[in-house]
Amino acid sequence: AQSVAQPEDQVNVAEGNPLTVKCTYSVSGNPYLFWYVQYPNRGLQFLLKYITGDNLVKGSYGFEAEFNKSQTSFHLKKPSALVSDSALYFCAVSAGANILTGGGNKLTFGTGTQLKVEL
Amino acid sequence: DGGITQSPKYLFRKEGQNVTLSCEQNLNHDAMYWYRQDPGQGLRLIYYSQIVNDFQKGDIAEGYSVSREKKESFPLTVTSAQKNPTAFYLCASSPTTGEAGANVLTFGAGSRLTVL
Repeated sequence: AQSVAQPEDQVNVAEGNPLTVKCTYSVSGNPYLFWYVQYPNRGLQFLLKYITGDNLVKGSYGFEAEFNKSQTSFHLKKPSALVSDSALYFCAVSAGANILTGGGNKLTFGTGTQLKVEL
Repeated sequence: DGGITQSPKYLFRKEGQNVTLSCEQNLNHDAMYWYRQDPGQGLRLIYYSQIVNDFQKGDIAEGYSVSREKKESFPLTVTSAQKNPTAFYLCASSPTTGEAGANVLTFGAGSRLTVL
């Protein structure tokens, strides 16, 4: 079975400082990795994904994530945090049998990390 | 604008009642999904459908039912058999073309169900 771990329930960062939100995964086979962001009482918005190729993936709103196969990690990063980045962040993975033959995608999500950026 | 519309946004139900949550998409996506979100537990898959008139159980299907009679619509019924139905419900859709596993899910704004 595949799983995703987000070890920090909350991350606090000062505006202008770099931020990192951690994610590790466990799958059989090659993973497809995703980051989503959720604002209060809203649905999830896609930020970025890793499929193959360059380990550093760039996404929306200045976010990027680094795929590390040996450490089975996919940490989300941003060089300079903004107060408006404050939200709930979810890491998700798909691999193996969860990649459906019909083309659908059964994502397994982590428990989420609340990011709080303060002035 | 293309997107996913979920209704109602908030719903209150008495114990023993069935309720149906609506999900409509105009993205022309073949696949649709229902997830349940509880604080501290992330998102868990209830049901999914890759094509009209076909759907499959996810990880927590007990007490729920769905239908997929039209490509655009994937309603979820929370039945009285669901022991703890109070939660935030998220509908999503995705294309089924391209590299399998790489298809991005697009989410609706969610429906919050509270059982009184």
